[in-house]
Amino acid sequence: AQTVTQSQPEMSVQEAETVTLSCTYDTSESDYYLFWYKQPPSRQMILVIRQEAYKQQNATENRFSVNFQKAAKSFSLKISDSQLGDAAMYFCAYRRDPSYGGATNKLIFGTGTLLAVQP
Amino acid sequence: DGGITQSPKYLFRKEGQNVTLSCEQNLNHDAMYWYRQDPGQGLRLIYYSQIVNDFQKGDIAEGYSVSREKKESFPLTVTSAQKNPTAFYLCASTPVEGLYGYTFGSGTRLTVV
Repeated sequence: AQTVTQSQPEMSVQEAETVTLSCTYDTSESDYYLFWYKQPPSRQMILVIRQEAYKQQNATENRFSVNFQKAAKSFSLKISDSQLGDAAMYFCAYRRDPSYGGATNKLIFGTGTLLAVQP
Repeated sequence: DGGITQSPKYLFRKEGQNVTLSCEQNLNHDAMYWYRQDPGQGLRLIYYSQIVNDFQKGDIAEGYSVSREKKESFPLTVTSAQKNPTAFYLCASTPVEGLYGYTFGSGTRLTVV
């Protein structure tokens, strides 16, 4: 079974600085999707960024980018120019590729990293 | 606007009582999911459904039940058999063949009183 591990329960960053959140996963599959979700105090889950495993290029969305290392099964999130609104719980998640059949749409989540942004 | 609506936002349950959490979506998504969120444990899958009139147990289905009579609706019942139901419950949906992540509802906070 696939697992997702976030080893940093809490992180802190100064406003305008850069922070990297770690995520590792365990799978025997070669095709899959990885996601980072943000959960602010409102508790609404917001998709931040996604990465297809077959793509070598790291995904980027404005100030958010990932460092995807497939061989190491690592998927870290870098937040540049941190803003107060970035303060939230961040979850890393894994999803199988549809080609494997079965219940492929299940997202498997890590335990989250709580990010504080200091003014 | 399309989205997922969860109600109520807050729910209080007495010991031994069954309660039902509502989840409705107008996104025309085939698959729907219920997750439970506890501090330090991330999101754990309770039940999921990929098609009307069919659903599957997730990792922590004991003490819960669901139905999927309509594509738009996937209610979750927390039964008296669930011994520790106090948690935050999130409903989500996705197109079955979609390559994107879930669309989430805004959640229901359930508290046992």
